[in-house]
Amino acid sequence: DAGVIQSPRHEVTEMGQEVTLRCKPISGHNSLFWYRQTMMRGLELLIYFNNNVPIDDSGMPEDRFSAKMPNASFSTLKIQPSEPRDSAVYFCASSLSNGATYEQYFGPGTRLTVT
Amino acid sequence: AQSVTQLGSHVSVSEGALVLLRCNYSSSVPPYLFWYVQYPNQGLQLLLKYTTGATLVKGINGFEAEFKKSETSFHLTKPSAHMSDAYEYFCAVRPLSGSARQLTFGSGTQLTVLP
Repeated sequence: DAGVIQSPRHEVTEMGQEVTLRCKPISGHNSLFWYRQTMMRGLELLIYFNNNVPIDDSGMPEDRFSAKMPNASFSTLKIQPSEPRDSAVYFCASSLSNGATYEQYFGPGTRLTVT
Repeated sequence: AQSVTQLGSHVSVSEGALVLLRCNYSSSVPPYLFWYVQYPNQGLQLLLKYTTGATLVKGINGFEAEFKKSETSFHLTKPSAHMSDAYEYFCAVRPLSGSARQLTFGSGTQLTVLP
């Protein structure tokens, strides 16, 4: 399996611009998670989906952030407008929620720099 | 709400020495427990997990962890450190029951291996 795929791997943008991060989960997995990692705050869960439905978005920082999962094989995280404090590494992870252990498999991340 | 505490954001050991990375959780019911390792510029990779059964679990790269309910701990160990073990390690928990599927991560421990 190819694992969780994220694109782009690196993104540099100017303050005020729209940024869209993309994720393709592992085929067959039915839960998808978006995380943000910074030195100051560590690894934070932003939002997670189960069967394409957003279940918990309490970690989304503010209305500038939005996430969608139009189908089982694709999700986006959008920031509009972006701000320098959004600079971080954004990870996508997926898991198979079959009553077992719910271990998550992570993508390589997108390093976002907002200038 | 569950929480995870990793004692020591940085741990240094000599090559060949015992590695001990500490993890304590707060939960009224023992949760599922995980250790992940983060390689540079990559996402987190699962090292090992505890669900039920044997309290001593073995993972990849010679690591193991022991679940101790009385101490609410899940410390990660390796008998002999290698230079190739010098990465950041994260402990995570997930409730044993209920619908919540997200993991709660600790703040991470950076392992340095001295020659």
